[in-house]
Amino acid sequence: EVQVLESGGGLGQPGGSLRLSCAASGFTLSNYAMTWVRQPPGKGLEWVSSLSGSSDRTYYADSVKGRFIISRDSSKNTLFLQMNSLRAEDTAIYYCAKSKSPGNTDMIFDYWGQGTLVTVSS
Amino acid sequence: EIVLTQSPATLSLSPGERATLSCRASESVRNYLAWYQQKPGQAPRLLIYDASNRATGIPARFSGSGSGTDFTLSISSLEAEDFAVYYCQQRYKWPPLTFGGGTKVEIK
Repeated sequence: EVQVLESGGGLGQPGGSLRLSCAASGFTLSNYAMTWVRQPPGKGLEWVSSLSGSSDRTYYADSVKGRFIISRDSSKNTLFLQMNSLRAEDTAIYYCAKSKSPGNTDMIFDYWGQGTLVTVSS
Repeated sequence: EIVLTQSPATLSLSPGERATLSCRASESVRNYLAWYQQKPGQAPRLLIYDASNRATGIPARFSGSGSGTDFTLSISSLEAEDFAVYYCQQRYKWPPLTFGGGTKVEIK
C-alpha cells in the first residue's frame, strides 16, 4: 500500500529553521517526482517545491526560493524540505505529494500525506 | 504565471442534486488540468486528471470536461460525502504550478 507520512512540523522562530520529512512506503520514492504543497490556515493550496524523479532537478515557488531546499535520501525512501529564514507567512500545513507516474515531472498528485503544521511565530 | 479562477466560491445544494463547478485559466492549459477534493481536516484527494480522466477508485458520478481555458467538474447526484471543497490545478506551464482558489460545496 502506498503511503506518505510527513513529520517535523512545529513552532519555528522568525528567521529560524525547520526540517520537514516525508517518509514513503509502498513505492520507490526516487522513481517519482515528489512535491511539497502548503495550505495556510483556512486558505487554499499553494505549490512550494518539487523534485524530479529521475534527474534530481529541483523547482521552487518564488516565495521560498533561496530559503527552502528540497532533497531526498533514497536509502531511507524519504523526502525532505529544509526551511530556512522562516517568515510568519510560511505558517501553513505542509503536505507531501507523490506524482502519479514514474519519471521526471508529471505533476498529477495521486497520494498525499496528512500534512504537518508549521507555525512561525516569536 | 497561469491564474486559475474557480466559480462559484460557494455552491449550496441538496443531496441528489447536480453540482457544476467551473475553473477558468488565464491562458490555455490545453487539457493539463486536475481536480481535487478536500474535506475538513483531510489531505486533498485526486478526482480527475487531464481534464476528463477519473482517478482510481473515483465514482462515476464525478466527471470532468473542457480544454484550453474553460473546465467543468460535474457531480451528477450529490451524496452526503461529496460536500467538501474542490480545487483545480494546472500542470501545463510551470513553475509555478498553480491551483484555483477552491469551490466549497455545502448542504443547502
